[in-house]
Amino acid sequence: DVKVTQSSRYLVKRTGEKVFLECVQDMDHENMFWYRQDPGLGLRLIYFSYDVKMKEKGDIPEGYSVSREKKERFSLILESASTNQTSMYLCASSSPLNLPGQGSYGYTFGSGTRLTVV
Amino acid sequence: DAKTTQPPSMDCAEGRAANLPCNHSTISGNEYVYWYRQIHSQGPQYIIHGLKNNETNEMASLIITEDRKSSTLILPHATLRDTAVYYCIVRVRDDKIIFGKGTRLHILP
Repeated sequence: DVKVTQSSRYLVKRTGEKVFLECVQDMDHENMFWYRQDPGLGLRLIYFSYDVKMKEKGDIPEGYSVSREKKERFSLILESASTNQTSMYLCASSSPLNLPGQGSYGYTFGSGTRLTVV
Repeated sequence: DAKTTQPPSMDCAEGRAANLPCNHSTISGNEYVYWYRQIHSQGPQYIIHGLKNNETNEMASLIITEDRKSSTLILPHATLRDTAVYYCIVRVRDDKIIFGKGTRLHILP
């Protein structure tokens, strides 16, 4: 089974801290994505990457950066955490291959990291 | 903005077929219809996708109208574990996914 693992399920950080959210996938997927999910606003795309060392801004990149030094790992960085970044963060990966259980370019999501900034 | 319109919520009795509609009147010829669902406190899960033809897998069936302007996801025998938010997404296959608000499906015992 394809697995997308997010390093923490719950995280509490202080305002102004630099925060790293890690995401690792084990199926050699080319594409990786970071979303945040908030009540009433749904899932919103922050950043994505179609290859190592490549990154593209999504719909709400402000206050975030990303790093993809290796194909399997995509990190989301909050340079200076603020309370309005309290949210559920979801990482996903996809591949052009037609894989059982997800089709081609289907996304596999991690379980999410619930970040609270105090 | 999401290119689809879904009802915000629906109810279905346990054991019955759940039919979830989706309108995508501006769909382009190279855009696929994807369905995902999100069970509470979990990441979204892929269900099925299609281009023109109806599709079926072990989870669900996808019926796409001939003009491709709408589709229906069918869960043939809904169980309580199917309670979730269901997202209908239209996209070119290798494009990023933009999620709309989805349909909150309640399965009633």
